[in-house]
Amino acid sequence: NAGVTQTPKFQVLKTGQSMTLQCAQDMNHNSMYWYRQDPGMGLRLIYYSASEGTTDKGEVPNGYNVSRLNKREFSLRLESAAPSQTSVYFCASSDPGTAQETQYFGPGTRLLVL
Amino acid sequence: AQTVTQSQPEMSVQEAETVTLSCTYDTSESDYYLFWYKQPPSRQMILVIRQEAYKQQNATENRFSVNFQKAAKSFSLKISDSQLGDAAMYFCAYTSYSSASKIIFGSGTRLSIRP
Repeated sequence: NAGVTQTPKFQVLKTGQSMTLQCAQDMNHNSMYWYRQDPGMGLRLIYYSASEGTTDKGEVPNGYNVSRLNKREFSLRLESAAPSQTSVYFCASSDPGTAQETQYFGPGTRLLVL
Repeated sequence: AQTVTQSQPEMSVQEAETVTLSCTYDTSESDYYLFWYKQPPSRQMILVIRQEAYKQQNATENRFSVNFQKAAKSFSLKISDSQLGDAAMYFCAYTSYSSASKIIFGSGTRLSIRP
């Protein structure tokens, strides 16, 4: 039981390049989330998926797209990376049906956009 | 809109002593959850403790306990017998039953432990 996994762990991009961050969970959770964490700040929600086949915008969605590929996987895509997207990205999952409302986080992806 | 405020950017405590981290929040909801997450240098976000708003009893997990004051919208974390491994960023967080589990995080408190 690996929990929430993210790939890659670290990535360097040039401005304008695209990439996809991958996230998978093996806890059979319905809901999945993407956050970004900038220095000295808490996590801010980019997109979330309450269930397979649905996605919704969070607090800071501009410049990102997401795909809920199946119940396990939720990817985050940067179509044209900008230096302002340099951050640490966290994926999380939860199962609100358990009434626990606890989110479990992956190890994070450090992204540097030059 | 809901907000979470951590007014202590940094705290320091002597090993084996007790420290309290402060958190206040603002919401018009009556049903919600509050959390404390720990983020060590590895950057992994680790759940420390969770409190359901409808429960009057304060949550406790080993050396970690909370002081939940619903009327004052205050949710502080007490760490007893501080250990070197407790050094980390601590984030207070909030989610309501109606928010589809979207969590709002505070800006964090960096806790250092003096040996």
